[in-house]
Amino acid sequence: NAGVTQTPKFRILKIGQSMTLQCTQDMNHNYMYWYRQDPGMGLKLIYYSVGAGITDKGEVPNGYNVSRSTTEDFPLRLELAAPSQTSVYFCASSYDPPGEQYFGPGTRLTVT
Amino acid sequence: KNQVEQSPQSLIILEGKNCTLQCNYTVSPFSNLRWYKQDTGRGPVSLTIMTFSENTKSNGRYTATLDADTKQSSLHITASQLSDSASYICVVRRNNDMRFGAGTRLTVKP
Repeated sequence: NAGVTQTPKFRILKIGQSMTLQCTQDMNHNYMYWYRQDPGMGLKLIYYSVGAGITDKGEVPNGYNVSRSTTEDFPLRLELAAPSQTSVYFCASSYDPPGEQYFGPGTRLTVT
Repeated sequence: KNQVEQSPQSLIILEGKNCTLQCNYTVSPFSNLRWYKQDTGRGPVSLTIMTFSENTKSNGRYTATLDADTKQSSLHITASQLSDSASYICVVRRNNDMRFGAGTRLTVKP
């Protein structure tokens, strides 16, 4: 069981570039989440999904898009990178909403 | 409204000493409260979960308390070890919404 895996671990983008952060879980969890963690701040929910084909916005969705075509994968897309998107991004999954969330190792993104 | 505040922001203690981290919340309605440990460069890992009716829950050297009336929780670490150096995050669930505290950065020195 690998749990939740994320790629890449690090990435530097130029302003206006696009990229996709990959997230995969092998625990057959229905619920998946994307968070961003800024220095000195709590994690903020970007998007979440309650199952394949179903996604919804979290607290800070602007500038991001997601898709959920399979139970295992939940990629996060940045279309036009901005310096404000410099952050550490965590993907997580859970069996049900009140249950424990299992986090991936994170992707550190810098936009310059 | 619907905030989670943790104190202190950072803490340095000597190996073997005890410490207590605080979490105050205004999240309502309350579903449950979790404490997570986040090692540097890693994702958070759950330590304990507490529901409305629970006052105390232990996980090895970690003991969490909850006072739902005053909306306060604490995480007590006993006989600290170097491996306890990490950020500790308090997370309060409100229905399907989770609110994260900014965390307390604990450093245990030999």
